[in-house]
Amino acid sequence: KAGVTQTPRYLIKTRGQQVTLSCSPISGHRSVSWYQQTPGQGLQFLFEYFSETQRNKGNFPGRFSGRQFSNSRSEMNVSTLELGDSALYLCASSFAGRGTEAFFGQGTRLTVV
Amino acid sequence: GIQVEQSPPDLILQEGANSTLRCNFSDSVNNLQWFHQNPWGQLINLFYIPSGTKQNGRLSATTVATERYSLLYISSSQTTDSGVYFCALFLTGGGNKLTFGTGTQLKVEL
Repeated sequence: KAGVTQTPRYLIKTRGQQVTLSCSPISGHRSVSWYQQTPGQGLQFLFEYFSETQRNKGNFPGRFSGRQFSNSRSEMNVSTLELGDSALYLCASSFAGRGTEAFFGQGTRLTVV
Repeated sequence: GIQVEQSPPDLILQEGANSTLRCNFSDSVNNLQWFHQNPWGQLINLFYIPSGTKQNGRLSATTVATERYSLLYISSSQTTDSGVYFCALFLTGGGNKLTFGTGTQLKVEL
C-alpha cells in the first residue's frame, strides 16, 4: 500500500510569508504527527493529530499550527516565517493507539530567505 | 525531560565490518523504534522493538527496557548502510510523540 506522502518536497519562502505543508498518511492510519529537523536542534516534535483533534503538542511558538481533515490528511502552517524556520519537516503516520509504530514521509525541505 | 543518548556519534567502517550502535534513555518507555535516515532525509523504519531481540537480514536490535538501553547491530556492513541512525522513544503517557536521540552518523568505506 502507498506510504506517507508529503507535499511539496521543496519550498523556498521569504521572511514574513506564511507556508502550508501537506501530509497524507497511510490508508487506515488515523494519527499524524509532525517533526522539525534542523542541524542544531535535531528532530523535534511539533504536534500530533488524531481524529481531527490535536492530541499532543511540542514546545513551538503559536506561529506553528496544524489541522487534520476527516480523511486523516493533515496540514501544518507556519506564519510570519523566520530564517530559523528553515528545516526539514517530517510527517509521521501511525495506525491509532498510543505508542504504535510510526512511518515517515520523505519530508518537505523549507528554506526561508 | 527525558535524555536519549546515542553512541558513538560518528563511526567510520570498512565494508564488511560489524558494528554496534547504542541508545541509552533516562525514563521508562512505552516503545522504541530504530530508523535509518537516507541522504534525501527520509526516515526508514528498521525496528519497532519495546523489548527483546529482533533480526532483519544483516541487522538486529535488542532492547532491555528495565536497564534503559537498546542496541542496533549491523553485520557485514555495506556502503549503502551509510547515513544517520536514530533511536526514538515513545514515552509512557506520551501518546504517539516520539523523542529522538541525537543520532549516529555512519560512513562505510570500500
